[in-house]
Amino acid sequence: NAGVTQTPKFQVLKTGQSMTLQCAQDMNHNSMYWYRQDPGMGLRLIYYSASEGTTDKGEVPNGYNVSRLNKREFSLRLESAAPSQTSVYFCASKWWSSGWNEQFFGPGTRLTVL
Amino acid sequence: SQQGEEDPQALSIQEGENATMNCSYKTSINNLQWYRQNSGRGLVHLILIRSNEREKHSGRLRVTLDTSKKSSSLLITASRAADTASYFCATSLGGGSARQLTFGSGTQLTVLP
Repeated sequence: NAGVTQTPKFQVLKTGQSMTLQCAQDMNHNSMYWYRQDPGMGLRLIYYSASEGTTDKGEVPNGYNVSRLNKREFSLRLESAAPSQTSVYFCASKWWSSGWNEQFFGPGTRLTVL
Repeated sequence: SQQGEEDPQALSIQEGENATMNCSYKTSINNLQWYRQNSGRGLVHLILIRSNEREKHSGRLRVTLDTSKKSSSLLITASRAADTASYFCATSLGGGSARQLTFGSGTQLTVLP
């Protein structure tokens, strides 16, 4: 099993450009998450999907959109990139379980917006 | 806003020594988890402690939870150079299946050989 995979690994954008970050998991997890990590800030939740067909805003959703394409895939879109969106983006997934909510993380996408 | 705050922000020790990191949080929690992040990598789950538990062990890891003080500690015994990483606490607040996690800002641990 590959676990959680993310593409691309690195990306440089100019202000105003758009792009989609891709995430896929092969663990049959129901819930998926997008975080951003900035220096000294820990991880902040952007959007999450509790199950296929549902998405909800997290702590910092402004400037982003998401699509839960199917159970495996959860994409994050920046419609008009801004320098403030320079960050490392992590996708995560977990089982749909009442007791056990360990999250499994992808390797991250390092995004620079000039 | 960050729910959990780790202390210290950075810790440097010699191989073989014990490392202790602390986490404080603000509101009542369902459970608290610790994650490790190696440089340039994603986070890896280490251990979960539920709100009704006070101590938990996993290999060289020992986690304590004091809900009255809203704090947790992670002890790594007999540290190794490979333990060099950032360590984050994460708290689970809400109900429902998604069970969002809120992460602290992390402790950077350096284990010197």
